[in-house]
Amino acid sequence: DTAVSQTPKYLVTQMGNDKSIKCEQNLGHDTMYWYKQDSKKFLKIMFSYNNKELIINETVPNRFSPKSPDKAHLNLHINSLELGDSAVYFCASSRVTGAATEAFFGQGTRLTVV
Amino acid sequence: AQSVAQPEDQVNVAEGNPLTVKCTYSVSGNPYLFWYVQYPNRGLQFLLKYITGDNLVKGSYGFEAEFNKSQTSFHLKKPSALVSDSALYFCAVSTLTGANNLFFGTGTRLTVIP
Repeated sequence: DTAVSQTPKYLVTQMGNDKSIKCEQNLGHDTMYWYKQDSKKFLKIMFSYNNKELIINETVPNRFSPKSPDKAHLNLHINSLELGDSAVYFCASSRVTGAATEAFFGQGTRLTVV
Repeated sequence: AQSVAQPEDQVNVAEGNPLTVKCTYSVSGNPYLFWYVQYPNRGLQFLLKYITGDNLVKGSYGFEAEFNKSQTSFHLKKPSALVSDSALYFCAVSTLTGANNLFFGTGTRLTVIP
């Protein structure tokens, strides 16, 4: 059983389109995250949700909107895609919200904007 | 502000030799330190963490790390490297801010040579 799963694994789309990436965790965790990994492998947090409520919203364009229908799901919707949005997006979850808690990551979604 | 530095982009080591992947950090307050490993086309996997207590932390796959407060370091070590250890390694830090906001280093690519 996959603990944190993301779909799709690969996404190629044209500039200006709107796309969504889905994430589900079956670990019973309370907190979920979206991270972005750029072409140089630099990894940065984008959003953090705890029990469907937004906790962290780092400086990302408002074209990016997370949606958490329940605590097992955290989807990422991106409007008006730009070339610079090309990256690998990782969903993650942790048991609780707390600095000492390790996160479990999905396999990533490689987004390519052309 | 929190930050993590991994001074080496690439580390090469012969199979069977000990390996060290370096990490230094900068935080205000007590740090919580993590190591993650990323295999090709995979998400990050948690290896180990330091929260408090014994400075030597043991983790998965025979890895360990030593917290050194005076040197603000948390180097990852393994006594005998395996070819299968070849991967990208990330050090991360967080502090007790009420949210699990991991700040990642830029990653170190470890190559174990048969």
